[in-house]
Amino acid sequence: GESVGLHLPTLSVQEGDNSIINCAYSNSASDYFIWYKQESGKGPQFIIDIRSNMDKRQGQRVTVLLNKTVKHLSLQIAATQPGDSAVYFCAESNFNKFYFGSGTKLNVKP
Amino acid sequence: EPEVTQTPSHQVTQMGQEVILRCVPISNHLYFYWYRQILGQKVEFLVSFYNNEISEKSEIFDDQFSVERPDGSNFTLKIRSTKLEDSAMYFCASSEVPYQETQYFGPGTRLLVL
Repeated sequence: GESVGLHLPTLSVQEGDNSIINCAYSNSASDYFIWYKQESGKGPQFIIDIRSNMDKRQGQRVTVLLNKTVKHLSLQIAATQPGDSAVYFCAESNFNKFYFGSGTKLNVKP
Repeated sequence: EPEVTQTPSHQVTQMGQEVILRCVPISNHLYFYWYRQILGQKVEFLVSFYNNEISEKSEIFDDQFSVERPDGSNFTLKIRSTKLEDSAMYFCASSEVPYQETQYFGPGTRLLVL
């Protein structure tokens, strides 16, 4: 089956610093990738997505980078805020099936 | 802002009992999904649903599971004979279109099978 994994289970950053969360995927046929944020006791919340025909996409304070050569996805959060503290999942999609990574917990220190 | 809602928020049941988890997707969305998340583990895709039929399903979604859209607003997941390992958080999601489109998740139903 598909495999989507995260390199770091926990990331601690200082408020105001930039955060980078990484993700590896294994299915080269995946053509759509999403980052979700999950706060304790809540459902996943969409952050940003990227299609396989792109290598970078920017949103408000967030950037997703896709490197298809090494099957790597990253989420960059600029000027990290305490409200960014959560678990972040990447997910890959192939034919409307979605496969999630196990998540990275982001701790933002004031 | 429109949101996906789910009921109940928590459900406790005895092993072997049937449970029905309910979801109300966002009103103009046409594609519906169920996911589960066992405590401490990753979110797992169960099934996608469109036009009153299953579009895709995972290996987890066996004969014990079924989905239905009984009316114009609800989307349900039924587990016929619950097992201990069915204990998890179950999330419903919906999207306007399938394939590479934002899915909006509900808050989840925490199911505990005793």
